[in-house]
Amino acid sequence: EVQLVESGGGLVQPGRSLRLSCTTSGFTFDDHAMHWVRQVPGRGLEWVSGINWNSGSIAYADSVKGRFTISRDNARSSLSLQMNSLRTEDTALYYCAKDKYGEFVVVTTIAHWGQGALVTVSS
Amino acid sequence: QSVLTQPPSASGTPGQRVTISCSGSSSNIGSNIVTWYQQLPGTAPKLLIYGNNQRPSGVPDRFSGSKSGTSASLAISGLQSEDEADYFCAAWDDSLSGYGFGSGTKVTVL
Repeated sequence: EVQLVESGGGLVQPGRSLRLSCTTSGFTFDDHAMHWVRQVPGRGLEWVSGINWNSGSIAYADSVKGRFTISRDNARSSLSLQMNSLRTEDTALYYCAKDKYGEFVVVTTIAHWGQGALVTVSS
Repeated sequence: QSVLTQPPSASGTPGQRVTISCSGSSSNIGSNIVTWYQQLPGTAPKLLIYGNNQRPSGVPDRFSGSKSGTSASLAISGLQSEDEADYFCAAWDDSLSGYGFGSGTKVTVL
């Protein structure tokens, strides 16, 4: 069974940093691209970032470009999101998500989702 | 501001057919595959339709997807109470070099 478990969420002041982690199991991690997707409770979904199977292809939403960094450790089957210069508008539930394929550009297909980690940016 | 446009709501009685539209442009739906996700209340989204019209194993054949030009549609036939959820379309956008979701449609079973 595919399992994606996010950690590292919490309350942080504007301008500060936070690092989200996602531990995975139940599938061959380095066969799949991975993503972070966020959702303000009661609102729509916003794709944040994606990384292909070998970290050779990475992309970000314009709203986080230059502030967030996605990375993966295939040896540990884990995914991370380093979030710097946080803004109040970054407040959301952040989902770790597994793609159906090893590459994601153009063919993005999110096959599994974690339960999410809540990030609240407030003074 | 979502990349793809969906109606905010749709409804039907049990057994009816409901269709949800997803409107995009040549840089997203017009040139890339469309995926549909279902989000039941209080849960994470779930893959419903991929590759425009493919169902993952376990998804009932009551759900079907189609695409034409810069628009796509999700049809739910034989609507059931457990289909009450939010539905999101999505596609890669070449202009944004990113993945865009629709605004979401809340389906209510009357």
